[in-house]
Amino acid sequence: AQTVTQSQPEMSVQEAETVTLSCTYDTSENNYYLFWYKQPPSRQMILVIRQEAYKQQNATENRFSVNFQKAAKSFSLKISDSQLGDTAMYFCAFMRGAGTASKLTFGTGTRLQVTL
Amino acid sequence: DVKVTQSSRYLVKRTGEKVFLECVQDMDHENMFWYRQDPGLGLRLIYFSYDVKMKEKGDIPEGYSVSREKKERFSLILESASTNQTSMYLCASSAWGGGPYEQYFGPGTRLTVT
Repeated sequence: AQTVTQSQPEMSVQEAETVTLSCTYDTSENNYYLFWYKQPPSRQMILVIRQEAYKQQNATENRFSVNFQKAAKSFSLKISDSQLGDTAMYFCAFMRGAGTASKLTFGTGTRLQVTL
Repeated sequence: DVKVTQSSRYLVKRTGEKVFLECVQDMDHENMFWYRQDPGLGLRLIYFSYDVKMKEKGDIPEGYSVSREKKERFSLILESASTNQTSMYLCASSAWGGGPYEQYFGPGTRLTVT
């Protein structure tokens, strides 16, 4: 079974600064995908960024980028130029590459507060 | 605009009641999922369905059942609600296939069992 660990329950960052959220995972699979989802207060969960394990290049989406270290089984999320709207719970998630069910295994989440 | 809707945002039920949580998606997705979200535990998969009338247990299926009679609708049933089922319930849907398909989430139902 896969496990996903987020060791930072809460983090705080000032507006315009950069913050990195940590995620580690454990799996014996070689083909898999990793995701970061964002859940703003009282709003729906949305996808932030995804990474295919077979790709060495780190994924980037505007101010969001990942540092994917496959050997270390680490998948951190970097948010640059933080904005107040980035305040949310952030969940790291793992998906096996085999099969078609697209099931996700989530970490316990990191609550990020962006302050003025 | 893609949309997953859930029948209630807040629900209060008594112990022993039968509870139905409904989820509808308008994206023609094959896969649908039910999670519960608890502080410090993240999201845990209860059940999922990859086709009409098809279902599979997730990580925590005990005390729950599901129904999928139509492609767009996936129901979660608590046969006899208990206080330890007080939680936030999230529904999600995604396309079928082996790729890293995004899951689209509903707004959640916060269920309180008293």
